[in-house]
Amino acid sequence: QMQLQESGPGLVRPSETLSLTCAVSGGSVSPYFWSWIRQPPGRGLEWIGYIFYSGRTTYNPSLRSRVTISVDTSNQLSLKLNSVTAADTAVYYCARGGGGDYSPDEFWGQGTLVTVSS
Amino acid sequence: DIQMTQSPSSLSASVGDRVTITCRASQGIRNDLAWYQQKPGKAPKRLIYAASSLQGGVPLRFSGSGSGTEFTLTISSLQPEDFATYYCLQHNSYPQTFGQGTKVEIK
Repeated sequence: QMQLQESGPGLVRPSETLSLTCAVSGGSVSPYFWSWIRQPPGRGLEWIGYIFYSGRTTYNPSLRSRVTISVDTSNQLSLKLNSVTAADTAVYYCARGGGGDYSPDEFWGQGTLVTVSS
Repeated sequence: DIQMTQSPSSLSASVGDRVTITCRASQGIRNDLAWYQQKPGKAPKRLIYAASSLQGGVPLRFSGSGSGTEFTLTISSLQPEDFATYYCLQHNSYPQTFGQGTKVEIK
């Protein structure tokens, strides 16, 4: 059974870079799309972007200038969001799907809360 | 961006009730729509994909319908474990966008 696990710092200073990883176990990143989605506390869901296993990416235009998603051969995804502000405080999820013609499917991480604060 | 408008934003219902949630897209999205259930502190769980296909393992009381701009999620007989927040998601064009959510509460 495929499992996804996000990890990274729970606290990031304003103007710095948020960096998260998502470890995929029980399966391979190939040949799937993978996405990052976030949810500010008490609010709705926002699609951040996707990466295809080959490395092709598409980002939400609202974040495009600040975000980078990558994938490596060790079955890990990563998310980097630079110049963060308090508005980037959210639970961040990785999920399988969410790119191409696909919605995120049944494989999601449990989410990790990132707080932006000095 | 395609805007997804869900209604209602919240509802109160009793166990056994039939519940209907609507999602409207600001432009046609064919059947490129999924429905998710989210419980507090948990990741969303996909219930429906391609507007009307039931995700494996999801109870048959959940169903989805619609195409184009108007979509519906129906719970035929609400069960205690169904009290949660529900979101629609369009994946017809980028960025993929979610509805604002519908919170289903116990009456």
